Amino acid sequence: DSGVTQTPKHLITATGQRVTLRCSPRSGDLSVYWYQQSLDQGLQFLIQYYNGEERAKGNILERFSAQQFPDLHSELNLSSLELGDSALYFCASSPRQEDNSPLHFGNGTRLTVT
Amino acid sequence: GENVEQHPSTLSVQEGDSAVIKCTYSDSASNYFPWYKQELGKRPQLIIDIRSNVGEKKDQRIAVTLNKTAKHFSLHITETQPEDSAVYFCAALKRTGFQKLVFGTGTRLLVSP
Repeated sequence: DSGVTQTPKHLITATGQRVTLRCSPRSGDLSVYWYQQSLDQGLQFLIQYYNGEERAKGNILERFSAQQFPDLHSELNLSSLELGDSALYFCASSPRQEDNSPLHFGNGTRLTVT
Repeated sequence: GENVEQHPSTLSVQEGDSAVIKCTYSDSASNYFPWYKQELGKRPQLIIDIRSNVGEKKDQRIAVTLNKTAKHFSLHITETQPEDSAVYFCAALKRTGFQKLVFGTGTRLLVSP
């Protein structure tokens, strides 16, 4: 168990809908990262937060947004869903602002858009 | 660019053989290189990492080597076992511009009994 908790585990929804994925980092970790992994693909970096503030952005679509709350949990909002958004969404956390600390991944949320 | 190239994409070995996975990176300022193992349908798990102040690091059957001049690093698994079968991802910390961990495209390792 990595200590990073993601909910829900599975999500099935229709095109055009909006969903929210939730992540609780490991106790004491201040940085939260979101990654998207499509079927048999690599890990695409979406966005990073540190202590409530956005710190880095990757290839995140405008339809997607995220935030980190004062209790350090984070939510990833996906709207106007398309079939191609079906993927595993991983959250990861690390202790410090510097990125050369190990990332610990949650078990992911598997999103299926039909 | 900020790519991390990883080779091979698939690797099949017999149990007991060694496996080597290689990665190259483009940001010469990168100073942190972790390796993750991902079993089917599960989360990536950190198996070993190396920082740029050393050239090699070992942990039992796993070792990682780093050549900063050539900007490449490799994962070596000795005495492979069927449970080593998984997808392995390398990553490099991109430090030019905003910092982020850039992952390679993954290597699917299959260890046959």
